[in-house]
Amino acid sequence: GDSVTQMEGPVTLSEEAFLTINCTYTATGYPSLFWYVQYPGEGLQLLLKATKADDKGSNKGFEATYRKETTSFHLEKGSVQVSDSAVYFCALILYNDMRFGAGTRLTVKP
Amino acid sequence: EAQVTQNPRYLITVTGKKLTVTCSQNMNHEYMSWYRQDPGLGLRQIYYSMNVEVTDKGDVPEGYKVSRKEKRNFPLILESPSPNQTSLYFCASRDVPGSGYEQYFGPGTRLTVT
Repeated sequence: GDSVTQMEGPVTLSEEAFLTINCTYTATGYPSLFWYVQYPGEGLQLLLKATKADDKGSNKGFEATYRKETTSFHLEKGSVQVSDSAVYFCALILYNDMRFGAGTRLTVKP
Repeated sequence: EAQVTQNPRYLITVTGKKLTVTCSQNMNHEYMSWYRQDPGLGLRQIYYSMNVEVTDKGDVPEGYKVSRKEKRNFPLILESPSPNQTSLYFCASRDVPGSGYEQYFGPGTRLTVT
């Protein structure tokens, strides 16, 4: 079945460091791809999305590009802040089925 | 404000004591679903509903029931909770079934079954 695999955490970075969280997917068709963020004690919020190959989603300095050839949707940010500390989930939707990765916990230290 | 609300936010109960977690959305969404979040497993879907009176099993439905009598409400029922249902639960809704539509999540209900 369809699935999402993302890099295991936790990830700990210093403020202003470059962030990459890897995400790859397996799907029988052409899904839409998402990154959600979960801040402590809160529900998931949509961070960015891409609905077709080569689309780039971006928000709050985060970016991810839908790569069909490598079935990937890696999350990047050039300079992380302490306020970016959260759990990040990669997800896909295909037809009516939404699948999530296991989540990657990011801690940014001042 | 567009939102999904859940109650209660925290619940500690004992094995076998029936409980209900309520979920309500104010966005007139047709599609609603329940997930549980466990460390290392991400979010797994319990049940979903594509419209009023239409519900279906997700990946981990055992031990849970749902109902969808009104469009805005989608309660999760645990008839006889067990310790392996200790988890963080999220309700979610989105506009229509299909790709590309943002899913909105409630704040979560942390359930402990002793």
